[in-house]
Amino acid sequence: DGGITQSPKYLFRKEGQNVTLSCEQNLNHDAMYWYRQDPGQGLRLIYYSQIVNDFQKGDIAEGYSVSREKKESFPLTVTSAQKNPTAFYLCASSIGAGATYQQFFGPGTRLTVL
Amino acid sequence: AQKVTQAQTEISVVEKEDVTLDCVYETRDTTYYLFWYKQPPSGELVFLIRRNSFDEQNEISGRYSWNFQKSTSSFNFTITASQVVDSAVYFCALRGGSARQLTFGSGTQLTVLP
Repeated sequence: DGGITQSPKYLFRKEGQNVTLSCEQNLNHDAMYWYRQDPGQGLRLIYYSQIVNDFQKGDIAEGYSVSREKKESFPLTVTSAQKNPTAFYLCASSIGAGATYQQFFGPGTRLTVL
Repeated sequence: AQKVTQAQTEISVVEKEDVTLDCVYETRDTTYYLFWYKQPPSGELVFLIRRNSFDEQNEISGRYSWNFQKSTSSFNFTITASQVVDSAVYFCALRGGSARQLTFGSGTQLTVLP
């Protein structure tokens, strides 16, 4: 089955620790995205990647880092510099980065920092 | 700059009632794309529809219909004969032709009561 997988579904970390969220897609999509969702709010873009070995900051990139070494994978690291990391994180992908392309979303990872 | 406003934070209806979710957008682009996504309690966003700015025809898909009006910058979503399974958060999103990212509204929580 083609799709996007994110693991784990729930993640708990102590304050001050870095944590990496996994995102894998087997849709052969060039573009991938990371969004953050807070309660009662819409999704906000953290980072996106149009192609392997390339990525760009979104609206709220501070305290986050990404890599795109393989087409299928776009891991997100939440660093200790992120002041309020507890949130729901959604990964998405699209065939291309153009405006016309629909984004497909993964099931999300709920991160709680204690 | 792009902006999407979903003024209805929460809506409750009784099963079989019709319900309309409002979406108002702002963009300076003449070419742009509008989307609706559904987020059930599981968290994954499910794509419902994409509409480009040059196509103002209303669309119907089963119990779902969309009313796009450029004159009022609105892209409203109606569910006819609502069902309990329609309960979810619904997001309207916009991407201008020149924009690098999708801009989401804050979402409308729809609860359909049996």
